[in-house]
Amino acid sequence: DTAVSQTPKYLVTQMGNDKSIKCEQNLGHDTMYWYKQDSKKFLKIMFSYNNKELIINETVPNRFSPKSPDKAHLNLHINSLELGDSAVYFCASSPLDGTRGDEQFFGPGTRLTVL
Amino acid sequence: ILNVEQSPQSLHVQEGDSTNFTCSFPSSNFYALHWYRWETAKSPEALFVMTLNGDEKKKGRISATLNTKEGYSYLYIKGSQPEDSATYLCALDRGSTLGRLYFGRGTQLTVWP
Repeated sequence: DTAVSQTPKYLVTQMGNDKSIKCEQNLGHDTMYWYKQDSKKFLKIMFSYNNKELIINETVPNRFSPKSPDKAHLNLHINSLELGDSAVYFCASSPLDGTRGDEQFFGPGTRLTVL
Repeated sequence: ILNVEQSPQSLHVQEGDSTNFTCSFPSSNFYALHWYRWETAKSPEALFVMTLNGDEKKKGRISATLNTKEGYSYLYIKGSQPEDSATYLCALDRGSTLGRLYFGRGTQLTVWP
């Protein structure tokens, strides 16, 4: 009964390809996020959506496009993959119901390898 | 650029030792401070979210304190066990953008049996 799930878990692809990573949460949360874990294990926020509305859009190449069809799903599409896109991508969600203490719940991560 | 600093970067202790590490952050525009535990090959899991100056939170053998005036939080582990081995992340929420967390680089704890 996974709370935040991501597919696929591993993704190996060639440079120049277009790929998508899917994220779903069954926690009823309003807000979802995408993070990139760099080679030094540092978590960098990429995007967040609140009730399907884009809230955070960090300095990320426009080859990365998030899509939120409903508040339980946030997918990440990446065009023209580059070697530097190789990383682990984490999806997360939080309730953000206006009270402090909204911890984020992370998915298992998707390890993307671009060859 | 907002710096959330964690020290030490890594720590090796023997089973049974107590240990602590630090998270430092800018004290202005404070909203909340999060601590996460991140085991290798897993995903980060929330330990605490702290909001008030002087907050102390406890979960089993792990506790945390918060000083928002001087901009630091301590995480303590009493009687470390090998299963405590993980990277401990802190993250600052300044309340300016919904859900925006500024993560530190973590303290990697290894507990030897």
